[in-house]
Amino acid sequence: EPEVTQTPSHQVTQMGQEVILRCVPISNHLYFYWYRQILGQKVEFLVSFYNNEISEKSEIFDDQFSVERPDGSNFTLKIRSTKLEDSAMYFCASSEKPYLSASSYEQYFGPGTRLTVT
Amino acid sequence: AQKVTQAQTEISVVEKEDVTLDCVYETRDTTYYLFWYKQPPSGELVFLIRRNSFDEQNEISGRYSWNFQKSTSSFNFTITASQVVDSAVYFCALSYLNYGQNFVFGPGTRLSVLP
Repeated sequence: EPEVTQTPSHQVTQMGQEVILRCVPISNHLYFYWYRQILGQKVEFLVSFYNNEISEKSEIFDDQFSVERPDGSNFTLKIRSTKLEDSAMYFCASSEKPYLSASSYEQYFGPGTRLTVT
Repeated sequence: AQKVTQAQTEISVVEKEDVTLDCVYETRDTTYYLFWYKQPPSGELVFLIRRNSFDEQNEISGRYSWNFQKSTSSFNFTITASQVVDSAVYFCALSYLNYGQNFVFGPGTRLSVLP
């Protein structure tokens, strides 16, 4: 069964450093997402991406964040200058083209990357 | 605005007890989907069920059952004869379609099943 994969599973970085979190969505999916979950809290939407541009972003997704689909398979989240409060689990998700079918509403989540900023 | 509320922050039950996790949602959309996810201590999100806004039929899957009531905007989840392996955080989520479709998650309910 196809699945979303994320690398690395755990990333430790120093405050002020840049990090890139990588995701490989399911191959025929067209919508991509990043979510964040601070330890012990709920999962929060960061950004959605379609047709090589951001569709929607939350207040959390400020200028320190960027997303990119550098090739046909990867989808990346970059944090330019990490802060302590960026420590969280980051989930990537993908879905089919919206409005296509019932399954368009379903997002498939990757296993997450745990980011620790020290 | 879209919102999901899970009023129960933590629940503890003894093994073999039944437990119901509550979920109340808010949306102006007429077409939407509701989901339940399980997050075990390992951290991944495990999909449990998807229910669309036009289908209020209750569903049972093994020890799990779901009660969707549109009139009260609720989508409650019941585990029958709970087991220690059910211990996890459970999230209810709402998905709606707009140009930038995304999920809105509830705050989660931490379920502890004691032996």
